[in-house]
Amino acid sequence: GQSLEQPSEVTAVEGAIVQINCTYQTSGFYGLSWYQQHDGGAPTFLSYNALDGLEETGRFSSFLSRSDSYGYLLLQELQMKDSASYFCAVRESYGQNFVFGPGTRLSVLP
Amino acid sequence: DGGITQSPKYLFRKEGQNVTLSCEQNLNHDAMYWYRQDPGQGLRLIYYSQIVNDFQKGDIAEGYSVSREKKESFPLTVTSAQKNPTAFYLCASSTGTGGDEQYFGPGTRLTVT
Repeated sequence: GQSLEQPSEVTAVEGAIVQINCTYQTSGFYGLSWYQQHDGGAPTFLSYNALDGLEETGRFSSFLSRSDSYGYLLLQELQMKDSASYFCAVRESYGQNFVFGPGTRLSVLP
Repeated sequence: DGGITQSPKYLFRKEGQNVTLSCEQNLNHDAMYWYRQDPGQGLRLIYYSQIVNDFQKGDIAEGYSVSREKKESFPLTVTSAQKNPTAFYLCASSTGTGGDEQYFGPGTRLTVT
């Protein structure tokens, strides 16, 4: 089995940079994904890291370190619309069984 | 437009009744998934299917059943054996090959009283 840990809440102001961490315990995995979910809505895919290093997509970047079982999502130039919950997720190595973290609720203040 | 549809958006049932949630996708994806989300919690995998006529239990399959007779459809039945069925149910699909990007439907909010 697998378990993932994320901070429950993060607060930042508009224009700032925020980092959401994710640590996982697993015997093997196919990579780390990040999803955004607004209240009452469906999760939407943000990024995926299969290899160590940084992946950049616009204002969002995601980092993975397999040796440390650790990753993070970096959000730059925060906007009010970024207020949402953010989930990290891993896929078990042998199939399509995805495991999601508990989620981090990001509040962006004016 | 390609996407995933779930119906209905809200569903109310009496305790002891089975209920089936619909999930349809026209993305030509091989893999489909069902998740349950409780208030303030993450997503927990109920069942997933990598190909037609095949599906696997996720972490919380007890009290649920699925079928995958067509590539486009993956209905979930919440049976009376499920002790706490009230939750937000999300269906998703993916190509099933690398990238890990899952596309989610809008969800069905089930309330059982």
